[in-house]
Amino acid sequence: DAGVIQSPRHEVTEMGQEVTLRCKPISGHDYLFWYRQTMMRGLELLIYFNNNVPIDDSGMPEDRFSAKMPNASFSTLKIQPSEPRDSAVYFCASSPGGQGAPGQETQYFGPGTRLLVL
Amino acid sequence: DQQVKQNSPSLSVQEGRISILNCDYTNSMFDYFLWYKKYPAEGPTFLISISSIKDKNEDGRFTVFLNKSAKHLSLHIVPSQPGDSAVYFCAASYSNAGNMLTFGGGTRLMVKP
Repeated sequence: DAGVIQSPRHEVTEMGQEVTLRCKPISGHDYLFWYRQTMMRGLELLIYFNNNVPIDDSGMPEDRFSAKMPNASFSTLKIQPSEPRDSAVYFCASSPGGQGAPGQETQYFGPGTRLLVL
Repeated sequence: DQQVKQNSPSLSVQEGRISILNCDYTNSMFDYFLWYKKYPAEGPTFLISISSIKDKNEDGRFTVFLNKSAKHLSLHIVPSQPGDSAVYFCAASYSNAGNMLTFGGGTRLMVKP
């Protein structure tokens, strides 16, 4: 398997523009997570999905952020409108799931999208 | 409210010596713990994990120790190699948490040749 795939790897945009980050999880994984990493706040969980259904979005900072998972192999994180303080590295991760299975909680991360909002 | 803390932001070790990275947690419900390694411009990669029913897990040069009474875990790397230089994150989860992980803030390890 190719692992978790994220695109784009880098994104530079101007304040007010819409930004869409994409993620393809590992095939067969039931869980998908979106994280944001900044110097100040470290690695923050934004939202996660189980079997394409959003379970916990309490980490989403504002209504400007939205995430979807239309099918098991694709998810998007959208910021509209973007602001300079959204500049960060955004990671997508997936994990197998399954009750009681060894290693079910282990999350596998993509390479991240480095976002710069000017 | 940081449930998982890594109190040392950085650690410098000589090649060949032991690296010890520490992590403390406050939530007694955590029952599964993981360590991730992160190189610049890459995503965190899973390194080693331990269940709360164990107090030690070893994988090659990497050993994780868990002290439940102290709510403390540590990662030992022996011998340390320059390629081990990276940021290390500890993470914790518990049953019924929906596979969510709570991450510490990370420790930057520098292994000097």
